[in-house]
Amino acid sequence: GESVGLHLPTLSVQEGDNSIINCAYSNSASDYFIWYKQESGKGPQFIIDIRSNMDKRQGQRVTVLLNKTVKHLSLQIAATQPGDSAVYFCAEKAEAAGNKLTFGGGTRVLVKP
Amino acid sequence: GEEVAQTPKHLVRGEGQKAKLYCAPIKGHSYVFWYQQVLKNEFKFLISFQNENVFDETGMPKERFSAKCLPNSPCSLEIQATKLEDSAVYFCASSQYHMEGGRTYNEQFFGPGTRLTVL
Repeated sequence: GESVGLHLPTLSVQEGDNSIINCAYSNSASDYFIWYKQESGKGPQFIIDIRSNMDKRQGQRVTVLLNKTVKHLSLQIAATQPGDSAVYFCAEKAEAAGNKLTFGGGTRVLVKP
Repeated sequence: GEEVAQTPKHLVRGEGQKAKLYCAPIKGHSYVFWYQQVLKNEFKFLISFQNENVFDETGMPKERFSAKCLPNSPCSLEIQATKLEDSAVYFCASSQYHMEGGRTYNEQFFGPGTRLTVL
């Protein structure tokens, strides 16, 4: 119902700790996955992506893990900072089916000082 | 420009009125996408363009929604006879295939969105 969107899963993490955000995807044909960060009042901001021929990719302070067997994606943020507080969305795409992104439901990360 | 630009930032319409939203993609990007985000969650794909051609319109409500991307003009999303359930933030994104380090990239960059409120 309409109230579901207001009750995002929330991860509270202490500043300096590592964060892990999980995402389950449904389309076994998806071959490209992206994590976006959305701050209040802003559009989604690209963080990191991974193709289905990989199971791990690292960026600056972020790592994405892909497990195709169980259709699971995770985002790890090292040494979480107050600026990491936002809503994080995973998105998937099956390039053979066009370029549209299918987004997951979002996880709110709250960083406690 | 270097960022996707969307106007207006906020739009308020009475039920039954028309709403028109605009998007200027990043310069050089061939693909434009429109998404609808309801209640700060649940992104829904609406339509995509490759240059001025509709690429995928599988998410568009057929009856009241239309979109265009004409040469030398911002792209637009128009809603005729708005309904209460059209209240949402509408995001535009653009992308372009490019090669870097032997890898193909086509990540979508999003604009700041237009918040539509239908009263």
